[in-house]
Amino acid sequence: NAGVTQTPKFRILKIGQSMTLQCTQDMNHNYMYWYRQDPGMGLKLIYYSVGAGITDKGEVPNGYNVSRSTTEDFPLRLELAAPSQTSVYFCACRQYFGPGTRLTVT
Amino acid sequence: GQQVMQIPQYQHVQEGEDFTTYCNSSTTLSNIQWYKQRPGGHPVFLIQLVKSGEVKKQKRLTFQFGEAKKNSSLHITATQTTDVGTYFCAGRMKRDDKIIFGKGTRLHILP
Repeated sequence: NAGVTQTPKFRILKIGQSMTLQCTQDMNHNYMYWYRQDPGMGLKLIYYSVGAGITDKGEVPNGYNVSRSTTEDFPLRLELAAPSQTSVYFCACRQYFGPGTRLTVT
Repeated sequence: GQQVMQIPQYQHVQEGEDFTTYCNSSTTLSNIQWYKQRPGGHPVFLIQLVKSGEVKKQKRLTFQFGEAKKNSSLHITATQTTDVGTYFCAGRMKRDDKIIFGKGTRLHILP
């Protein structure tokens, strides 16, 4: 029972590149969330999902996309990376957080 | 827009002193959650409060939810070095069910 897993742990992107942050949970729960955390700041909700096939925008969705084709997986897509997207990204299932992905865009 | 304000932003205490962090929401909450995050780590869930006026205790930690369900506090009695980290509240908005995090209180313990 791993809880919430995220890959990769670290990534450096060039401006304009795209990538997908993976998130998988084994708790069989419907609610999943993506947050970003900038240095010394709180967490801001990017997108969330209340079940397979259902997603909705959070506070800061611009520049991101998500999909939820299965209960277990909730990937976050960055299409055209910008320096403003340099952050630590956390995926959560209910109140349980994954270990995070540290993303740098240069 | 809906906000959750958390104060103080930083707190330095001597080991053994008490510590309190406060959260205030601009709108009524369905519930509030508290998390602890160690430097370089991920938020770890501590507790959820749901009922108006609720008080819950976990060893040296006491959590309160206000009568109006718009504010909450976390109090740590006799801090220890293991309490170091940032404490976040996260309120679920009654109006639209969205979760908004406070900016956190960073606790430093002076030996």
